[in-house]
Amino acid sequence: DTQMTQSPSSLSASVGHRVTITCHASQDITHYLNWYQQKPGRAPKLLIYDASNLQTGVPSRFRGSGSGTDFTFTITNLQPEDVASYFCQQYAIVPLTFGGGTKVEI
Amino acid sequence: QLQLQESGSALVKPSQTLSLTCVVSRGSMNNGGFSWNWIRQPPGEGLEWIGYILYDVTTSYNPSLKGRVTMSVDRSGTQFSLNLRSVTSADTAVYYCARGRWASQRSGAFDLWGQGKMVTVSS
Repeated sequence: DTQMTQSPSSLSASVGHRVTITCHASQDITHYLNWYQQKPGRAPKLLIYDASNLQTGVPSRFRGSGSGTDFTFTITNLQPEDVASYFCQQYAIVPLTFGGGTKVEI
Repeated sequence: QLQLQESGSALVKPSQTLSLTCVVSRGSMNNGGFSWNWIRQPPGEGLEWIGYILYDVTTSYNPSLKGRVTMSVDRSGTQFSLNLRSVTSADTAVYYCARGRWASQRSGAFDLWGQGKMVTVSS
């Protein structure tokens, strides 16, 4: 299986600050990488697809970059409503796998 | 806007079969551009992809489930189902159905999710 190593597992930042999460794949997944946001008791929500494409309706403060094995997810100008867990997910190779998640707090 | 909703038993006894259905409303599955997935999340843990089914009934399952999984699709294009056999307490989780974009012969981003169904395995 393709292991997705996400870090950090949790972080705390101030409103208006920049947050960065990394995701490392155990093998080359080119650009087949997505990012999701999950709030407590809710289903995950797609934010970024194919490493760097913003899903329709998602605020532009969410950004993704990277290719191959190393990817970065950034929230610029952190807002109170961004408190959630964030997961990366690869779909290059079956089985599809997720990172362990990053819990973001204010 | 298409909506997904999981239904099924919330409590399953060990060694029995977990059965869930995902009802597709305000639209149809009759579109070759998507895969139809099941994903689960044990309490307080991360996400695990279980598998997908395409409308042509092609399936792909996570090998970690050791052949216990079967997925099917209703030909009316309004629902798809999950059967997980020989369950144990390790199968206790919130089960989500989700639509995946089909691209480059791959099940891609999960852009639409059901609200999730908590299933507990216990005697």
